[in-house]
Amino acid sequence: NAGVTQTPKFQVLKTGQSMTLQCAQDMNHNSMYWYRQDPGMGLRLIYYSASEGTTDKGEVPNGYNVSRLNKREFSLRLESAAPSQTSVYFCASTFADGDQPQHFGDGTRLSIL
Amino acid sequence: GENVEQHPSTLSVQEGDSAVIKCTYSDSASNYFPWYKQELGKRPQLIIDIRSNVGEKKDQRIAVTLNKTAKHFSLHITETQPEDSAVYFCASTTGSARQLTFGSGTQLTVLP
Repeated sequence: NAGVTQTPKFQVLKTGQSMTLQCAQDMNHNSMYWYRQDPGMGLRLIYYSASEGTTDKGEVPNGYNVSRLNKREFSLRLESAAPSQTSVYFCASTFADGDQPQHFGDGTRLSIL
Repeated sequence: GENVEQHPSTLSVQEGDSAVIKCTYSDSASNYFPWYKQELGKRPQLIIDIRSNVGEKKDQRIAVTLNKTAKHFSLHITETQPEDSAVYFCASTTGSARQLTFGSGTQLTVLP
């Protein structure tokens, strides 16, 4: 079992470009999450999907959209990238939203010039 | 919403010594407190967690204590080793994973 798989691992974008970060889990989890991690800060929740077919905003959703494609996959899209979105992005999953702990992917390092 | 403060931001200890990292939280309804270890360029990994119905939990060299009255919890690592060097994050939630609030992290360096 791979757990939570994120692609790509690294990406450099120019301001204004769009990009989709992919996340897939093979643990039959219902709930999935996207976080960003900035230097000197803890992880902050961007969006989450409590179950297939539902998505909701987290703490810092501005500039992002998400799609829960199916039970396994949860993608994060930057429609028009900005330098402030330079960060490390982590996807995580749990069996249910009230379940702990979360299982994290390896992250995507995104730089926006 | 919940606010989690973590101290210190950096901590250096000699190999074999103990390390203590402290976190305070603001929401008295918080009931689950995990600790994550993150090595450079890697994913956060859960190392220990505690629920609000217990005051202390141990797993080999790692222990976590919880003081609900004072709303703080601490990570204790004994007999530190160079491989313990990493960033450690505390977190808290009232129950749901989507409400997990992270501290700002502590860079622990164990000097050989």
